[in-house]
Amino acid sequence: NAGVTQTPKFQVLKTGQSMTLQCAQDMNHEYMSWYRQDPGMGLRLIHYSVGAGITDQGEVPNGYNVSRSTTEDFPLRLLSAAPSQTSVYFCASNIAGGGNEQFFGPGTRLTVL
Amino acid sequence: GESVGLHLPTLSVQEGDNSIINCAYSNSASDYFIWYKQESGKGPQFIIDIRSNMDKRQGQRVTVLLNKTVKHLSLQIAATQPGDSAVYFCAETIPRNYGGSQGNLIFGKGTKLSVKP
Repeated sequence: NAGVTQTPKFQVLKTGQSMTLQCAQDMNHEYMSWYRQDPGMGLRLIHYSVGAGITDQGEVPNGYNVSRSTTEDFPLRLLSAAPSQTSVYFCASNIAGGGNEQFFGPGTRLTVL
Repeated sequence: GESVGLHLPTLSVQEGDNSIINCAYSNSASDYFIWYKQESGKGPQFIIDIRSNMDKRQGQRVTVLLNKTVKHLSLQIAATQPGDSAVYFCAETIPRNYGGSQGNLIFGKGTKLSVKP
């Protein structure tokens, strides 16, 4: 299994540009999440999904959209990038139910100029 | 608001010594706690977890202790090695009502562990 994969690894955007961060997992996990990590900070939850067709907001959802059309994929969209969205983004997945280990991808480092 | 926090932002230990990383949480409803290790440029990696109905759990060279009375969590690493150098995060899960208790993970800010040879 490849686990959780993310693309791209690095990205530079100009303010106002849009882009999609890709996340895929091959472990048949029902739950997937997106986090952002800023310097000196822990991870903060952006959006999450408990299954195909179901998404919900996390702690810091503004400026981001998600969709979950398949179990495997959970893309994160930035509609109009802002410098405040410069961060490292991590996708994670886990099997259904609380109290289960989340598996994290390697991250996408995004810089918005 | 309620959050998970850490007592020390950095910890420096000698190789071979034991390390203890502490974490405080404030939400008594949290029912699951996890310690993650994050090496530079990588995503967090699961180390060990513990449920709220337990006080102690041991893994390979690691032990997590949970004191619900004072809402305190600790990670003990025995015989610390240079490969243990990383940032360690504790995270808590508060039950949600989505088909059970998926819970969102709430992360602390992290403690950087440096191991001196």
